[in-house]
Amino acid sequence: QQQVKQSPQSLIVQKGGISIINCAYENTAFDYFPWYQQFPGKGPALLIAIRPDVSEKKEGRFTISFNKSAKQFSLHIMDSQPGDSATYFCAASTGSWGKLQFGAGTQVVVTP
Amino acid sequence: DAGVTQSPTHLIKTRGQQVTLRCSPISGHKSVSWYQQVLGQGPQFIFQYYEKEERGRGNFPDRFSARQFPNYSSELNVNALLLGDSALYLCASSLGAATFFGQGTRLTVV
Repeated sequence: QQQVKQSPQSLIVQKGGISIINCAYENTAFDYFPWYQQFPGKGPALLIAIRPDVSEKKEGRFTISFNKSAKQFSLHIMDSQPGDSATYFCAASTGSWGKLQFGAGTQVVVTP
Repeated sequence: DAGVTQSPTHLIKTRGQQVTLRCSPISGHKSVSWYQQVLGQGPQFIFQYYEKEERGRGNFPDRFSARQFPNYSSELNVNALLLGDSALYLCASSLGAATFFGQGTRLTVV
């Protein structure tokens, strides 16, 4: 069963707009929640990550919002640019060396 | 600093053959893990090694095996290849929870 559920499957946003991707999890033992960006033919690149003791983390145009009680977290891409067009994956793991459980991915297309 | 490096980048094999994929982690990272990514899906965990010991194994058949060497590099072996093994195989190295992926090896089984 998929332990991390991601939505939407795809989204189209205009340049300068905000892209929002949502993830939900069931396993309350998860304590590390990273987001990855993947371009075609490349490996996933770590974008930003959060732990459940923090409700929000911002790095540049990327922000993670975390709702521990709802077991949900989301990625906001502000001022979206055409170069942000990629597939984004949320993930979750347990402990310092835990395996990553990935969501199914969201394909983001930013139109000029 | 070099990132995670994998070789080869592409590989075509015939059903029933065996394949070995190689990975060098980021310098200073002692943990290496392997993931399989089928087109259109998220990566699926196969193995994790730390200090040459297997620390985790995903839901993959025994045809899949791996090992880690004293220099922390790693190999993933897949025996008796099936068409369904065609995928992007990703190696990752970790420092604590932060996990960094290589560019992957695209394996095509024909």
